[in-house]
Amino acid sequence: LAKTTQPISMDSYEGQEVNITCSHNNIATNDYITWYQQFPSQGPRFIIQGYKTKVTNEVASLFIPADRKSSTLSLPRVSLSDTAVYYCLGSNFGNEKLTFGTGTRLTIIP
Amino acid sequence: NAGVTQTPKFQVLKTGQSMTLQCAQDMNHEYMSWYRQDPGMGLRLIHYSVGAGITDQGEVPNGYNVSRSTTEDFPLRLLSAAPSQTSVYFCASGDRERTYLGGYTFGSGTRLTVV
Repeated sequence: LAKTTQPISMDSYEGQEVNITCSHNNIATNDYITWYQQFPSQGPRFIIQGYKTKVTNEVASLFIPADRKSSTLSLPRVSLSDTAVYYCLGSNFGNEKLTFGTGTRLTIIP
Repeated sequence: NAGVTQTPKFQVLKTGQSMTLQCAQDMNHEYMSWYRQDPGMGLRLIHYSVGAGITDQGEVPNGYNVSRSTTEDFPLRLLSAAPSQTSVYFCASGDRERTYLGGYTFGSGTRLTVV
């Protein structure tokens, strides 16, 4: 599975758009990029995944360029409730386990 | 549909004691796994299972045992608790055909303190 690199922490003000970039230089051809969100004292939860270009759901957008060596999670108009740790992982069909890095600790400031 | 249920939520053990952390899922997922998370750290894989009767070691298996006698249950046993095992433990289950689509569901965790 791809080794991923993310910033350790980020701060942002309420109402702003937040972009978290993940580097995955050795991503395999059949790997998807998957993002999980973890609130304090809770288990991680899936928020979005993609293979190439742009994916959008009710929570976030995910941008993956053509070379797939990086990806950017975009959170529109963040609120205090978006304060969490965000993990970027490579994943493909039949993955029997997930490999987490240290993630990005996002703090939203009022 | 309860998802992934972990018990207990909190536990304090004395060094040398043994105990079992319970994990149950009702989604008929083939995959189940145990992670530990130390303060300020990411999750590290302890053991995982791809189906009933099949288990394998993860990144940090020492001091822990698992078994998978049914699809639904995946208990984690601490053989002789040590202070280094103080951590938050998460159980997860995954649908084999949907793992890349975010098919993993995590429990709410067990906070274990070993004194």
